[in-house]
Amino acid sequence: AQSVTQLGSHVSVSEGALVLLRCNYSSSVPPYLFWYVQYPNQGLQLLLKYTTGATLVKGINGFEAEFKKSETSFHLTKPSAHMSDAAEYFCAVGKTSYDKVIFGPGTSLSVIP
Amino acid sequence: EPEVTQTPSHQVTQMGQEVILRCVPISNHLYFYWYRQILGQKVEFLVSFYNNEISEKSEIFDDQFSVERPDGSNFTLKIRSTKLEDSAMYFCASSAGTGHTGELFFGEGSRLTVL
Repeated sequence: AQSVTQLGSHVSVSEGALVLLRCNYSSSVPPYLFWYVQYPNQGLQLLLKYTTGATLVKGINGFEAEFKKSETSFHLTKPSAHMSDAAEYFCAVGKTSYDKVIFGPGTSLSVIP
Repeated sequence: EPEVTQTPSHQVTQMGQEVILRCVPISNHLYFYWYRQILGQKVEFLVSFYNNEISEKSEIFDDQFSVERPDGSNFTLKIRSTKLEDSAMYFCASSAGTGHTGELFFGEGSRLTVL
């Protein structure tokens, strides 16, 4: 079975500071990994994904994540937080290109001016 | 840009009533999904659908739930007799399938409130 844990249900950063949202996964097969963002009262938008190949993946809005197999991690980072980054962030894991994804519990990011 | 659309955006119903939530997946996609998010909680998988049949379902997806693709474009989730605990945001998603990079595209969600 696959699962995802996200350390920290709530993270606060100052505007301009580094954003680091942690994600660890469990998977019996090479995983497909995703970060989704959910703005208030909106749907789920894909930030970035890892399927195969380069372990450092870049996404939209300046976010990137690095797949570390030895640590079973897929942490999300952004060098400089912006007020518009305040949202809920979900890490997710899948098994194939068409299988369901399993979501982590989410991390709520607040950006302090 | 192609997108998944869901209707209604918000539905209020009385306990015990039947509800149908509708989704129009991206036109060339082959795999369809429903997820649920109870307020303040995680996004939970309900069911996946491929080739006109359920390919996988979670333990949440009991006999009161059903899915259907009645025509070439719509994908529906029916809740037969709603309970208070069915109040949640329901997300539809679709995926292109094999040979693609495995991204699920989500709709904006349908908020169901059961009174």
